[in-house]
Amino acid sequence: DAEITQSPRHKITETGRQVTLACHQTWNHNNMFWYRQDLGHGLRLIHYSYGVHDTNKGEVSDGYSVSRSNTEDLPLTLESAASSQTSVYFCASSTDRGAYNEQFFGPGTRLTVL
Amino acid sequence: DQQVKQNSPSLSVQEGRISILNCDYTNSMFDYFLWYKKYPAEGPTFLISISSIKDKNEDGRFTVFLNKSAKHLSLHIVPSQPGDSAVYFCAAISGSNYQLIWGAGTKLIIKP
Repeated sequence: DAEITQSPRHKITETGRQVTLACHQTWNHNNMFWYRQDLGHGLRLIHYSYGVHDTNKGEVSDGYSVSRSNTEDLPLTLESAASSQTSVYFCASSTDRGAYNEQFFGPGTRLTVL
Repeated sequence: DQQVKQNSPSLSVQEGRISILNCDYTNSMFDYFLWYKKYPAEGPTFLISISSIKDKNEDGRFTVFLNKSAKHLSLHIVPSQPGDSAVYFCAAISGSNYQLIWGAGTKLIIKP
């Protein structure tokens, strides 16, 4: 069955370190998204991609970067982790451009920055 | 400034009764609305959606109502079942940027 996976599921790191969260989907979807979920805020869009070599900034992109070298993967990098980036991170994918089509989500990565 | 608001952080309902989850929005440019359901330690899963040209959409036990003049939508679950206990997110998009804007979620607890 097609799926979307995230790794690691839990990560503890220190302030200032570079961290990369992996996202891998086997749906063969063109569109991939990264969100963060914080209490009281719902999900907020960090970065998104509509295809290989395409990346775009979302609402809360500062301090994060992504690259898309193939269809299946969209890794999220925190250049220099800050305590404000402690959150739960969700990766998602969908078939067509935009959000009118259902997005399929991974299980999430809980990141703690000490 | 939250454009999509779910003002009830939690809701407790007796099994078999109706659950009504509410969502308000401020941006009149939103033209499509979605509800997602989330269990602990899992990602959200799509539940039901509605276009702004409609006022109701039904799928089995789930019905979403849209009141554009009030900028309000609601999700009705009838009858409520124990497996419905989860966090429900309301989300909206506009044709201008195609990005999902999410509410903070409502935790639904179904009591036996």
